[in-house]
Amino acid sequence: DGGITQSPKYLFRKEGQNVTLSCEQNLNHDAMYWYRQDPGQGLRLIYYSQIVNDFQKGDIAEGYSVSREKKESFPLTVTSAQKNPTAFYLCATDLGINNSPLHFGNGTRLTVT
Amino acid sequence: AQTVTQSQPEMSVQEAETVTLSCTYDTSESDYYLFWYKQPPSRQMILVIRQEAYKQQNATENRFSVNFQKAAKSFSLKISDSQLGDAAMYFCAYRSSGGTSYGKLTFGQGTILTVHP
Repeated sequence: DGGITQSPKYLFRKEGQNVTLSCEQNLNHDAMYWYRQDPGQGLRLIYYSQIVNDFQKGDIAEGYSVSREKKESFPLTVTSAQKNPTAFYLCATDLGINNSPLHFGNGTRLTVT
Repeated sequence: AQTVTQSQPEMSVQEAETVTLSCTYDTSESDYYLFWYKQPPSRQMILVIRQEAYKQQNATENRFSVNFQKAAKSFSLKISDSQLGDAAMYFCAYRSSGGTSYGKLTFGQGTILTVHP
């Protein structure tokens, strides 16, 4: 079955450590996105990529980094510079055209203590 | 920048009744796309319905329909014959069709819908 795989489902890290969240897709979608979800704030866009080897900052990119070395993968690194990293992170993909709906992964819950 | 506002943090409805969730947005663009997504307790995001701004006809998907008022920048979701499985967080989202915001999807804060048996 085609889909988006985010791993792991739960992730725990100590403050000051970088951590990488995985997002893999086999939908053959061109565009991939990372969103952060906090209670009462909906989803906020961190980074997005519409083509391999290219990506753009979203609304809250500070403290995060990404890479898009292949079409299927779009890992997100939460660096120690991110002040409040504890959140639910969602990866999404679409065909890269405007009426194309987003397809979402199941998310990763990151807890930093 | 575009903003999306859902003014109802929580709503409730009796099973089999109808409920309407509100969404307004702010944009200077004339062409764009609007979506409603559902997030049940599993936290899996599911597309409910979408609307192209250039289409005057309101989109409908089975029990779900929208009231799209372009001049008022309003995009409400009506759920008819509510079912227990409709209980979820609902998000309204806006997508720009061009410019520097091309491809970005902006979400509202969400509305928690409770369905009472």
